[in-house]
Amino acid sequence: QKEVEQNSGPLSVPEGAIASLNCTYSDRGSQSFFWYRQYSGKSPELIMSIYSNGDKEDGRFTAQLNKASQYVSLLIRDSQPSDSATYLCAVKPGGATNKLIFGTGTLLAVQP
Amino acid sequence: NAGVTQTPKFRILKIGQSMTLQCTQDMNHNYMYWYRQDPGMGLKLIYYSVGAGITDKGEVPNGYNVSRSTTEDFPLRLELAAPSQTSVYFCASSSSDKETQYFGPGTRLLVL
Repeated sequence: QKEVEQNSGPLSVPEGAIASLNCTYSDRGSQSFFWYRQYSGKSPELIMSIYSNGDKEDGRFTAQLNKASQYVSLLIRDSQPSDSATYLCAVKPGGATNKLIFGTGTLLAVQP
Repeated sequence: NAGVTQTPKFRILKIGQSMTLQCTQDMNHNYMYWYRQDPGMGLKLIYYSVGAGITDKGEVPNGYNVSRSTTEDFPLRLELAAPSQTSVYFCASSSSDKETQYFGPGTRLLVL
């Protein structure tokens, strides 16, 4: 069964620090990778998508992908209390449909 | 442009009752999805649709049914509610050429 694994946390970081969130996946044929942020009681919203090996930066967020190691990560620089949320990793397995496999999420707590 | 809308926001059902969760999107997306999210868990795909008249089972379809008569609407039917169906249900949509999924606000269902 195709799986996406994340540490459930909570990951606690002080305000202003770098938060590092990690995700591994089992399907080597996966081509598309996504990070969603979900505030408590709210729906997931897309933060980043990444398709190629290496880094992709968007503001304070950097997604990193290593297909050889089947590993994708999200770095949040200058973490703010408003970044406190659950971060869901999602992977599109190899195949023709747009279905995504979601990890269970990592709870991030940024301490002021 | 409302995006993805879901009704109701919250519902309490008795065991054995039935109900329909409504989902509508105004982005002209071909793909639509139903997920459930249990506490501390990731999103589990119940059913998905790649276009009007076409639906398929996801990871956890038992106890649910769907239909897709129009591009905009993708209702989820629970025929005989069971306590195991207590969850938060999210509807999502995506276009056929982009894999990013956009989520509705969710329906919280409690079966007693």
